[in-house]
Amino acid sequence: EAGVTQFPSHSVIEKGQTVTLRCDPISGHDNLYWYRRVMGKEIKFLLHFVKESKQDESGMPNNRFLAERTGGTYSTLKVQPAELEDSGVYFCASSQEIGRDAYGYTFGSGTRLTVV
Amino acid sequence: GQSLEQPSEVTAVEGAIVQINCTYQTSGFYGLSWYQQHDGGAPTFLSYNALDGLEETGRFSSFLSRSDSYGYLLLQELQMKDSASYFCAVRSPSGGYNKLIFGAGTRLAVHP
Repeated sequence: EAGVTQFPSHSVIEKGQTVTLRCDPISGHDNLYWYRRVMGKEIKFLLHFVKESKQDESGMPNNRFLAERTGGTYSTLKVQPAELEDSGVYFCASSQEIGRDAYGYTFGSGTRLTVV
Repeated sequence: GQSLEQPSEVTAVEGAIVQINCTYQTSGFYGLSWYQQHDGGAPTFLSYNALDGLEETGRFSSFLSRSDSYGYLLLQELQMKDSASYFCAVRSPSGGYNKLIFGAGTRLAVHP
């Protein structure tokens, strides 16, 4: 099966510009997660979709970040306007979970965002 | 708050055994996962412990002690390709579902 796909793999933008990251999860996975890793730090949770609904967006840094998941398929994460501290690697992951069973998340390779 | 502590770097030689420890402090706990990430790649799932004890998968084993809020990943017969970052992650409840809370990762360098 195809894995989790993220686009673009790299993005360099100027402060104040807008960037949209896209994630295509594994087909049939209802759960989609966005994470971010700032250099050397933890992979930090941003939000969780179940199908098209936002289940948990407690990790979203501020209202400059907007995530959507159209029709419960692919998801986009928009940063507008971007600030220097938004630089990092943004990971998307999907999973097919049943209760507390030990299904691992499948991650994409990430989008490396650099704001200059 | 929620936090996971793991060493930032570990160095070992080929063929050796290395243990990467992880202690956690989280609100709610379903289990402890381990992920491997090579530079520029996707974190990939290695193992999951929901109950106390040792889980073995080939050269890799993972241990959990819930009473100590502690776990470790054991890598045996190290190979050069094992050089990567290793993350522990707590599977934490989230409104009827769950999410992973990650540590900062341990960078493992395997030398000849």
